[in-house]
Amino acid sequence: DTGVSQNPRHKITKRGQNVTFRCDPISEHNRLYWYRQTLGQGPEFLTYFQNEAQLEKSRLLSDRFSAERPKGSFSTLEIQRTEQGDSAMYLCASRRLAGGPGRTDTQYFGPGTRLTVL
Amino acid sequence: GDSVTQMEGPVTLSEEAFLTINCTYTATGYPSLFWYVQYPGEGLQLLLKATKADDKGSNKGFEATYRKETTSFHLEKGSVQVSDSAVYFCALEGTGGTSYGKLTFGQGTILTVHP
Repeated sequence: DTGVSQNPRHKITKRGQNVTFRCDPISEHNRLYWYRQTLGQGPEFLTYFQNEAQLEKSRLLSDRFSAERPKGSFSTLEIQRTEQGDSAMYLCASRRLAGGPGRTDTQYFGPGTRLTVL
Repeated sequence: GDSVTQMEGPVTLSEEAFLTINCTYTATGYPSLFWYVQYPGEGLQLLLKATKADDKGSNKGFEATYRKETTSFHLEKGSVQVSDSAVYFCALEGTGGTSYGKLTFGQGTILTVHP
């Protein structure tokens, strides 16, 4: 299977601990996105990369959150000093951006990492 | 900023009933519009899309038409099946400025289809 993969699928942690999630995008996809989905809501944009460059971060991404994509392939999302409000599903998506405005290539989503902060 | 509003849910239907899930949006410029589906225990999957006004996206019997005059992208299916039970998300992708390439989602609509 060559879809987007995310690890771990589930993470339970205690408040104050650090956690790190990994996303492996579809090969040759140059854009990678992170979203957060809380219960009963749609996903909300967190940040995205074009190759290894982080181009935008949402105001939702506090300074406890950091994301990297060191070689333009996989990405990691780290949350430091977790809080109960961080409990959510963290989704990764990738796409191969081609062409200018009007050329919409599909974002493919991974299965997500469900974080529970106790 | 961009926003998407979906009809309040959940929606419960009998098999073979007609389905409509309303979606309206607010955006600058000419966004692309999407419907994603999330089956229980699975990730988001693209169901259909439309990239310009009056385009109709269709897939698996589902259809939605991009209506710029009413800023709507309602999802329809003529005869639902039990296997259509899932959460449906309407989304837009901005085409200008900081909106470009990011998806903005509605809150989702839970659909349950009974035999």
